[in-house]
Amino acid sequence: DIQMTQSPASLSASLGETVTIECRASEDIYSNLAWYQQKPGNSPQLLIYDANSLADGVPSRFSGSGSGTQYSLKINSLQSEDVASYFCQQYNNYPPTFGSGTKLEIK
Amino acid sequence: QVQLKESGPGLVQPSETLSLTCTVSGFSLTSYSVSWVRQPSGKGPEWMGRMWYDGDTAYNSALKSRLSISRDTSKNQVFLKMNSLQTDDTGTYYCTRDHSEIAAISPFDYWGQGVMVTVSS
Repeated sequence: DIQMTQSPASLSASLGETVTIECRASEDIYSNLAWYQQKPGNSPQLLIYDANSLADGVPSRFSGSGSGTQYSLKINSLQSEDVASYFCQQYNNYPPTFGSGTKLEIK
Repeated sequence: QVQLKESGPGLVQPSETLSLTCTVSGFSLTSYSVSWVRQPSGKGPEWMGRMWYDGDTAYNSALKSRLSISRDTSKNQVFLKMNSLQTDDTGTYYCTRDHSEIAAISPFDYWGQGVMVTVSS
């Protein structure tokens, strides 16, 4: 199985700041990478797919980049509603696998 | 609109069988694949298995010996059965829809609300 390593595990930032979350795959996943946002008590929601494509209804302050084994999620101009856990997921190989998550809080 | 809703017991005895139902609306099970994903509290999700749009199934090898997924297209339902439950099977169980129609592999664009399952005597 492909291992997905996310960093940092937790992150505290101020409103209006830009934050970046990293995800590393144990092998090349050819940009078959998604990012999900999970607010407390809710189901995960798709933010980004194909490494850099914004899912429907997702604000443009979210962006994804990367290739090969290294990917990142950037949130510009942090808002209070961005408090959540964020997970990466590879869907290049079976089984699809997820990172362990990054918990984002407001400072 | 697209909706998925899980139902099933919240408490299961160790060594017993878990049975969950995912009822979908707003799309066809013969066009989109549906997966089961579970998530222990405070941890990352784990893909369990998939009901393909064509009726075939795929399972996570770590669970394959205990897991069965089936469907009833006339009722728009996908079923999960997992036997020999242990305490580390405790978590929230979700059904999810593939982002792409008739896709070999795809991220998940719709998730159900989830059902919390506790394995305890």
